[in-house]
Amino acid sequence: GDSVTQMEGPVTLSEEAFLTINCTYTATGYPSLFWYVQYPGEGLQLLLKATKADDKGSNKGFEATYRKETTSFHLEKGSVQVSDSAVYFCALRGDSGNTPLVFGKGTRLSVIA
Amino acid sequence: GAVVSQHPSRVICKSGTSVKIECRSLDFQATTMFWYRQFPKQSLMLMATSNEGSKATYEQGVEKDKFLINHASLTLSTLTVTSAHPEDSSFYICSAKSGKNTGELFFGEGSRLTVL
Repeated sequence: GDSVTQMEGPVTLSEEAFLTINCTYTATGYPSLFWYVQYPGEGLQLLLKATKADDKGSNKGFEATYRKETTSFHLEKGSVQVSDSAVYFCALRGDSGNTPLVFGKGTRLSVIA
Repeated sequence: GAVVSQHPSRVICKSGTSVKIECRSLDFQATTMFWYRQFPKQSLMLMATSNEGSKATYEQGVEKDKFLINHASLTLSTLTVTSAHPEDSSFYICSAKSGKNTGELFFGEGSRLTVL
């Protein structure tokens, strides 16, 4: 079945450091790919998404490019802030109309001032 | 954007009691809702798919008699944890799919259940 593998955390960075969280997937067909963020004590929020190969999703300074050749969707940000501290989930959704999201295990990011 | 609301956000109950969690789509009709469970420091595991007007489809290993799901209207799905035990303590999150097949699901805020 479909699956998502993302780098294990926790990841601790200093403010303004460069962030990469790796995500690779296994899926049949042409899934859509997502990054969700969960701030402490809150639910999930969609951070960005890409629906086809070579698409780049971006939001709040975060970016991820859908790479079909490497089945990857790595999350990057050039300069993290303390407010970016959260758990980040990579997820995919199959290309049929009514499928749920399949999540990676999440990566906890802590940014220190 | 679309809004999905869950209630209650936190609930504490005694072992053996039942707890109902509501998931509402506030500004769209959701023909399908998904219920997830999140264990501490772990990912979200899909529990079941809830379709309006029909029985829910449960994932392997999820007890349908313990986790009752009702999706009686296009804006409301409920998850009832029956005869709750401490091992049922978890963070439960619903998500809803709008009528448009955009590939995006909208998530509720989550409900933290603690069973004493």
